[in-house]
Amino acid sequence: DVKVTQSSRYLVKRTGEKVFLECVQDMDHENMFWYRQDPGLGLRLIYFSYDVKMKEKGDIPEGYSVSREKKERFSLILESASTNQTSMYLCASSLIEPYEQYFGPGTRLTVT
Amino acid sequence: AQTVTQSQPEMSVQEAETVTLSCTYDTSESDYYLFWYKQPPSRQMILVIRQEAYKQQNATENRFSVNFQKAAKSFSLKISDSQLGDAAMYFCAYTTDAGGTSYGKLTFGQGTILTVHP
Repeated sequence: DVKVTQSSRYLVKRTGEKVFLECVQDMDHENMFWYRQDPGLGLRLIYFSYDVKMKEKGDIPEGYSVSREKKERFSLILESASTNQTSMYLCASSLIEPYEQYFGPGTRLTVT
Repeated sequence: AQTVTQSQPEMSVQEAETVTLSCTYDTSESDYYLFWYKQPPSRQMILVIRQEAYKQQNATENRFSVNFQKAAKSFSLKISDSQLGDAAMYFCAYTTDAGGTSYGKLTFGQGTILTVHP
């Protein structure tokens, strides 16, 4: 079974803090993704990576950065957390085809 | 840009009955993939069913089936013999590999919360 794990299920941070969310997959998938999930908006893509050290912006990259130093690990970084980044963050990975994405359990981040 | 719309924020069904969740999408591509994902309360999102646009036949997975209307850009999910364990948020999603640069990025709808009544 594919397994995608995320470093924390719940996280509370203060405004201005630098926040690291980590995601690890164990199936040698090329592609990895970070989404945020907000009520009424579905999932929105923040960043994705199609290879080690390769990354591209998604639909809402502002205020975020990512790092992929190893194939199995994809980190999301909030450089200076703000209250409008309070959300559920989901990581996913996939093969090139058939594009089925496998999701982690999510991290519920609260910024106060 | 591709968009995916789920017009039903919430749906409910009685156990053992059938329910249909709606999804429409907008794209100019001819080759693409459509998915339904299920997110149970406090649990991980999992794939329910997948449809390739080039396939005429509607996909089926046990009690789950889709009605794929390519011309109408409609992709509804039918759940037969509903069970309590089907209660979840359901997301419709789209991707295309057109141009070879999509990398399988998914565009999601807003989600539909399904409640199953015993």
